[in-house]
This record gives sequence, structure tokens and C-alpha cells, in this order.
Amino acid sequence: EADIYQTPRYLVIGTGKKITLECSQTMGHDKMYWYQQDPGMELHLIHYSYGVNSTEKGDLSSESTVSRIRTEHFPLTLESARPSHTSQYLCASSESSGATWGYTFGSGTRLTVV
Amino acid sequence: QKEVEQNSGPLSVPEGAIASLNCTYSDRGSQSFFWYRQYSGKSPELIMFIYSNGDKEDGRFTAQLNKASQYVSLLIRDSQPSDSATYLCAAQEYNNNDMRFGAGTRLTVKP
Repeated sequence: EADIYQTPRYLVIGTGKKITLECSQTMGHDKMYWYQQDPGMELHLIHYSYGVNSTEKGDLSSESTVSRIRTEHFPLTLESARPSHTSQYLCASSESSGATWGYTFGSGTRLTVV
Repeated sequence: QKEVEQNSGPLSVPEGAIASLNCTYSDRGSQSFFWYRQYSGKSPELIMFIYSNGDKEDGRFTAQLNKASQYVSLLIRDSQPSDSATYLCAAQEYNNNDMRFGAGTRLTVKP
């Protein structure tokens, strides 16, 4: 049973459209992350949050934005989708401090921009 | 230089053999190390973590850590075709949840 949920699972959308990828977790984790991953390639951190009202950009330059108004919810928004945004987007969460048990990943959203 | 390095593979082993996956890291502040398995088209799932030098065993999986050499490995005994996946190594500083992932090693177990 998944404790971190991403919707939609698949999305095909036209160039220039605004889209929001949803991510919610029920574990009460403070820290949440968005990764981008192309098929067969490595994970790239695009955004992260250490708690409510905290958001930071990751290593990979991204034209997306995120918000963290509630602990459990960390949506990612693309204001104007482009074909270069075609990729898999993975959301993850983790406990906030001390010994860590790793990240829990959602099932991902596979985005195709046509 | 990447912080976490892995051989991209593919690594191919016959069913029943031991698969050995290796990882090196550059940040000496790293304290915790993780192995994730990622099936094609799926998201990563945590299979092992290790904090202390030495070996840690969990079923068919053994993680090995050598902090002096900055080296982490994962051994999979009695490999099964269902073990065919990409294995991601990750390193993390204590009390810092910014996990650094390697690019992954693709493992194929042939029946």
C-alpha cells in the first residue's frame, strides 16, 4: 500500500498548457522532494521542501515551481509546458531528522508534451 | 566529479550466481548509505541501508561498507530473474536528508 501518492500517473498535454502534478503523503514527513528522470537515466533533484512554507530549487535548473502550504501536499506546476519537459517526475518524502530510513517514492507521473 | 559513482553496466549474471554491485563516494561527511532497486518504468524502492563499516545482511542481500576506502557494495546471492533491475546507490550526511544518488547499475539475471 503506497503512502505517497502521485497523480496523474500519465499525462499527455499540448505545448503551452499549464499543468500541476500532484503529490501527497500520509506519513507526516516534513521533507519532500521532486526528481526528474528520463528513461534509463539518473535522478535529478529539481525541488525540495523541509516543511510548510519552505521550498528550494535543486541541482537541475527547472522551469517549474512548487508550493508547500500543507505538510502532506507538495504540488509541482509548469506554467507553460514544452516538449523538453517530457520526462518522468518522481515525488519522494523522508523523516526530518536524526537517523534516516531513506526516501519513500511515489509511483511517478510520466509527462509527455506534444 | 560526481559525488556517488557507479558502473552503469549492464551487469549480466546467470540465475543462481552472486551479483556484485559497487559504488564509490567522494564526500567523507557521508554517514548513511542506501541501495534502491528500480524496475523499468517504476519508481525506486529502498532495499538496504547501512551506517557502520562492515557487512549487513538481509535475506539474499548483503551490503558492505568501507568508509576508509569510501566504498559501498551490494551482493545479491542466488540471483533470480526477478532481480533484474537498475540498482541505485545513495549517500547521505547524518542529520542532512539531502541524499546523493548514483546513476545506477543495470543488472540482468539470465535464466
